[in-house]
Amino acid sequence: KNEVEQSPQNLTAQEGEFITINCSYSVGISALHWLQQHPGGGIVSLFMLSSGKKKHGRLIATINIQEKHSSLHITASHPRDSAVYICAANNNFGNEKLTFGTGTRLTIIP
Amino acid sequence: EAQVTQNPRYLITVTGKKLTVTCSQNMNHEYMSWYRQDPGLGLRQIYYSMNVEVTDKGDVPEGYKVSRKEKRNFPLILESPSPNQTSLYFCASSSSRDSGGYTFGSGTRLTVV
Repeated sequence: KNEVEQSPQNLTAQEGEFITINCSYSVGISALHWLQQHPGGGIVSLFMLSSGKKKHGRLIATINIQEKHSSLHITASHPRDSAVYICAANNNFGNEKLTFGTGTRLTIIP
Repeated sequence: EAQVTQNPRYLITVTGKKLTVTCSQNMNHEYMSWYRQDPGLGLRQIYYSMNVEVTDKGDVPEGYKVSRKEKRNFPLILESPSPNQTSLYFCASSSSRDSGGYTFGSGTRLTVV
C-alpha cells in the first residue's frame, strides 16, 4: 500500500465545474505538495502546505493534519486545467525524502 | 530566468555504457533531488541532496550514483545502465522546505537498449 493515496485516478468534467482532488497519507509529514504535470511532461509546483489553506488564482489547496488528508480544488475549471495532478509528502524526519501519490488525470471538456 | 536545466532531453544508449545526466540550478537552492517516472508507478525519488557534499538515498537508488561537489550542480550517473532504467527522469531543487515548493527541470527521457 502506497503511503500517499490519491483519488480519483481519472476525472472528466465540463468546463466551469468545481473540481476536487483528494490526497490521503499514512505517515507523519512536515509538508504536503501539489504538483501539476501537463501533457508533454513538464512538472510545476502548485502549492506546499504544512497547515490550513492556500489559494492561488482559481486553485485552492487545504490540509487537515489530524485527518492526514489534503484536497486540491479548482473553481471555474477550464480546458487548460487538463493535466495530471500529483500530491507528494515530505516526511517529518528532517530530510528531503519525498513520497508521491500516483496522480489524478483531469480532463476538462469545453 | 530562474530555472533548473537538465541535459540531455532525450538519450538512447546501450546496456552497460556509462552515462551522466546533468542538472544545474541558478537559484542558489540548497536542496536538489532526482526522480524517475514510470507508467503505473508514478514519480519515485532516486537520490536527494541537502547541501554540498551531503547526499542520501531515496526509494530507488539501485544502479545510480550522484555527487554534489558544487551547490548548483547535481549530476546523475548510471555506471552500467540496464533496460529497466529506461524511464523519464526529473531533477528538482528547492530553497527550503519551510518557504518554497520545488522547481523541476524539463525532464530527460532515457532509453536503454
